[in-house]
Order: sequence, then structure tokens, then C-alpha cells
Amino acid sequence: NAGVTQTPKFRVLKTGQSMTLLCAQDMNHEYMYWYRQDPGMGLRLIHYSVGEGTTAKGEVPDGYNVSRLKKQNFLLGLESAAPSQTSVYFCASSYVEGVAKNIQYFGAGTRLSVL
Amino acid sequence: QQQVKQSPQSLIVQKGGIPIINCAYENTAFDYFPWYQQFPGKGPALLIAIRPDVSEKKEGRFTISFNKSAKQFSLHIMDSQPGDSATYFCAAGRDSGGYQKVTFGTGTKLQVIP
Repeated sequence: NAGVTQTPKFRVLKTGQSMTLLCAQDMNHEYMYWYRQDPGMGLRLIHYSVGEGTTAKGEVPDGYNVSRLKKQNFLLGLESAAPSQTSVYFCASSYVEGVAKNIQYFGAGTRLSVL
Repeated sequence: QQQVKQSPQSLIVQKGGIPIINCAYENTAFDYFPWYQQFPGKGPALLIAIRPDVSEKKEGRFTISFNKSAKQFSLHIMDSQPGDSATYFCAAGRDSGGYQKVTFGTGTKLQVIP
């Protein structure tokens, strides 16, 4: 009964370092998303995927890359971290079914600090 | 460009009170309006959702009111409890090239005082 699992839960980086955030879902959902959450700005979509092997840019994609090599996994990469990327990152997955539309299931988040 | 405007940013009510959170949108293509609830240290979770062909939907103590002509919708929490203290996000969804795009509001932090 895992749902959406994000690793790591916390991370501190120095400016210029790189890292990858991993998201795994066990609900066989087609769609997956990466958001960042900042105070007063809500949830902003970074990148999303509508299926294995596909990715697309969201609202704030600059400085991030993603990959969806397997249906259950969605990776978010920071090639050269900047202090502006200090945030809480959430992964979500969803299916689209009739009236229910796009119900998104979120992971617990990754708190990233870039010094 | 904020497509979904949410207010207030924070709200404090006494136990038993009825907090009201308001959202407004501009794009008439939106056809799905969910609300998400987020507790500290957790990810958001779907609370309740409404389609624009109904004006009100109730689930337990939570009610969504929807005004299509005004392009506004709101969340009411009846008989609020300290356990309702959380951040609430409204959202709006629309079809976009076979994908249901969802745009979130900026969130309302609710505190219910015992």
C-alpha cells in the first residue's frame, strides 16, 4: 500500500552540485508529475509525463531535467543546483477516468536546500 | 500569470466555526475543480471535487459552492475541528491535447483553535 514514494526525504546541496530525485508509484498510473512548493506560491508544475518514455515541460522547467524510462518511475534531475532551487519538491501520479478527471496522488515530498 | 486566485492566504477560526476559502478563475475552458488538503510534512491529498454542471457538492462537513457565471468557487468547512488545521489548495483542470492539465491556487493555511 505504498502509493507514491519519493527519495530522498531531505537533501542539502552546495551551489553547482547535481542530484537526482526519485519518484516511484505502484498504482500503475499513466501520468506522473513533478511540482515545487514555495511559500505563497502554491504548487508549480516543473515537468510531467503522460506515459513511459514521454516527458513535457510544465510551468517552471528551467534548471531541471526529467526521465521516465519505466512506467512506475519518474526522475527529476538538477544538473547545477542554484539557491533559487531551494524548495519542497512533490511528485504525483494520476489516472484520468470519466467524471473523476485527474485525481493526483502525491508523495510526501523532498526538502531540498541549496547553499 | 496566476490562473487560479485563492484567498485568504491564512485563516484562524474557533472550533465549531465555518471557515470559507474562496477561489476565482479566468479560463472558461476549466471543467474540473478539485480541492486538496495538505497536513504539515505530508503531500496534498484530494478532499473533494466538483464539475461546473452542479452548484454545490457536500461530502461530510466539507461543501464546495460553485458559481459558474462569476467564475468563482469556494470551500466551506462546517463545525470545524482542530484536526482540520491544514493547508488547503483549490485547483482547476481542463483538457489539453489529451492530457488533463490541473492548475493549483496558492493555498490557504487554516488554523482551528480549540
